[in-house]
Amino acid sequence: AQSVAQPEDQVNVAEGNPLTVKCTYSVSGNPYLFWYVQYPNRGLQFLLKYITGDNLVKGSYGFEAEFNKSQTSFHLKKPSALVSDSALYFCAVRGTVIYNQGGKLIFGQGTELSVKP
Amino acid sequence: AAGVIQSPRHLIKEKRETATLKCYPIPRHDTVYWYQQGPGQDPQFLISFYEKMQSDKGSIPDRFSAQQFSDYHSELNMSSLELGDSALYFCASSSGGGLHREQYFGPGTRLTVT
Repeated sequence: AQSVAQPEDQVNVAEGNPLTVKCTYSVSGNPYLFWYVQYPNRGLQFLLKYITGDNLVKGSYGFEAEFNKSQTSFHLKKPSALVSDSALYFCAVRGTVIYNQGGKLIFGQGTELSVKP
Repeated sequence: AAGVIQSPRHLIKEKRETATLKCYPIPRHDTVYWYQQGPGQDPQFLISFYEKMQSDKGSIPDRFSAQQFSDYHSELNMSSLELGDSALYFCASSSGGGLHREQYFGPGTRLTVT
């Protein structure tokens, strides 16, 4: 069964410092991995995805993620954190490998990112 | 750009009542997903539709049902509501059910059962 894990409930970073939010995955077959961000009382916003190809994926708001097959990881990164990046971040994996069979997302537990001035 | 629309945004119901949540996907999106997010939890998949047919089913209680209509909007019907049904309900849409497609989420409906 497909699953993802986010080992850190919370990450604290000073503004201007690089940030990393960790995610590891377990899949059968090719992984389809996604990162979403959730601001308080808001829906989830898509940041980026890995489907195939280059292991470094660039997304919205200056975020990027590095896919590492040997370590089964898909960590989210940003070179310089902003206070406005403070939010809840979810890593997700596609829950099925059958095309047009719904393609539900299976989410990790979420990581609360706090960026302090 | 147009986003996913959900209505109502907030809903308060009593136990054993029924509720209907509506979702209007992004134009030309043919796939709709429903998720339930409890307090402090990650979203859990409930059910999805592709081209008006149910395409996948998750941990959706038998008290809940859903459908996708000819204009691609979807409704989640919830009956015999329980306190534990209190949660944020998200609808997401995508263009096609392909595995590479990202899902775009609506703002959610916050359901409170008293």
